[in-house]
Amino acid sequence: ETGVTQTPRHLVMGMTNKKSLKCEQHLGHNAMYWYKQSAKKPLELMFVYNFKEQTENNSVPSRFSPECPNSSHLFLHLHTLQPEDSALYLCASSQDLLAGLYFGPGTRLTVT
Amino acid sequence: KQEVTQIPAALSVPEGENLVLNCSFTDSAIYNLQWFRQDPGKGLTSLLLIQSSQREQTSGRLNASLDKSSGRSTLYIAASQPGDSATYLCAVHNAGNNRKLIWGLGTSLAVNP
Repeated sequence: ETGVTQTPRHLVMGMTNKKSLKCEQHLGHNAMYWYKQSAKKPLELMFVYNFKEQTENNSVPSRFSPECPNSSHLFLHLHTLQPEDSALYLCASSQDLLAGLYFGPGTRLTVT
Repeated sequence: KQEVTQIPAALSVPEGENLVLNCSFTDSAIYNLQWFRQDPGKGLTSLLLIQSSQREQTSGRLNASLDKSSGRSTLYIAASQPGDSATYLCAVHNAGNNRKLIWGLGTSLAVNP
């Protein structure tokens, strides 16, 4: 058990839907991350939060909107997605921005 | 610009073999290097983290080494088992102002019974 949970584990949505991904970490970490993993590509960092403040937005389209209400919870709000957004979305946390990462199990997203 | 390469992309070995997975990086100014394991369709599990001042880290049958000057890290798996079958990824944390985590594409390992 990694101490980082993600819900839902699988999500199928149409291009006009609005949905949210949730991540919770039980490790007492201060930094949280959203990554996108697509086949044959390196992991793509999307957003970084440190002590609830967004420290990095890696040129992510505005149809992805993160929210970090506290150091333990991280959301990714999705709206008007495109089929190419289908991927595995991984949440991770770390004690600080230079410490090792701990990942959740991911949400497999399919956009139809 | 830091680039991380993992060779081979795929590896198939019989059970019981000792094996080495390779990770190379182009810029030796790193803060740390981390090895992960990923089972199909699952999240990543952290295996070992090596700080830039360290030469190696060990956990059970796993041993990771780091040679910053040559830009290389190896993950040694002793007495491989079918349960070791997974994709192994390495990630390098840049030092300096651009403290990004740069990922390799991984090595897909199959250990055959």
